[in-house]
Amino acid sequence: AQSVTQPDIHITVSEGASLELRCNYSYGATPYLFWYVQSPGQGLQLLLKYFSGDTLVQGIKGFEAEFKRSQSSFNLRKPSVHWSDAAEYFCAVVLNFNKFYFGSGTKLNVKP
Amino acid sequence: DVKVTQSSRYLVKRTGEKVFLECVQDMDHENMFWYRQDPGLGLRLIYFSYDVKMKEKGDIPEGYSVSREKKERFSLILESASTNQTSMYLCASRPSGGLSGGEQFFGPGTRLTVL
Repeated sequence: AQSVTQPDIHITVSEGASLELRCNYSYGATPYLFWYVQSPGQGLQLLLKYFSGDTLVQGIKGFEAEFKRSQSSFNLRKPSVHWSDAAEYFCAVVLNFNKFYFGSGTKLNVKP
Repeated sequence: DVKVTQSSRYLVKRTGEKVFLECVQDMDHENMFWYRQDPGLGLRLIYFSYDVKMKEKGDIPEGYSVSREKKERFSLILESASTNQTSMYLCASRPSGGLSGGEQFFGPGTRLTVL
């Protein structure tokens, strides 16, 4: 069965520190991959997506993600975290464009 | 910018009531979705619609129905609300077509409490 795993429920980093949020998926073929961010009380906003080609994808707000086929991973990174990055982050895998599978989310806290 | 709006941000209903959650998108998207979001479970698809009057069950359709009479509007209906339907409900839309159509655009969500 299709599944998306975000192993970290909560992460706390200091402002200015680097960040990596993990995402692993189980699916036979190379899926389409997305990262969304949800600020408190808001809907989800797309950070970046991977369909094919270059495995390092740049997104908005200084985020990037790297697709590693051998590890079935699509980890999200940011070199220097800002306090405004505190939010919940969701990884999603698309079986077809009408069937998104979301991970359970990672809540990011940013210490001053 | 694509805009997806939901009729209420917060809603409190009683057990057994019929509940309507409305979603409207302004970008002429063919596809619309209803999810519920619960802590530790991420987003789970309830129903989606790929055209007017067309609908497909998602992963957790039990206890819900949907209506899409117009392209821009997708309604989620709880026929008889129960306490286990207390949740955050998110609506999304997406255009049809190839890779550029992959992204789903989300509304702000409706937090429903069933007492």
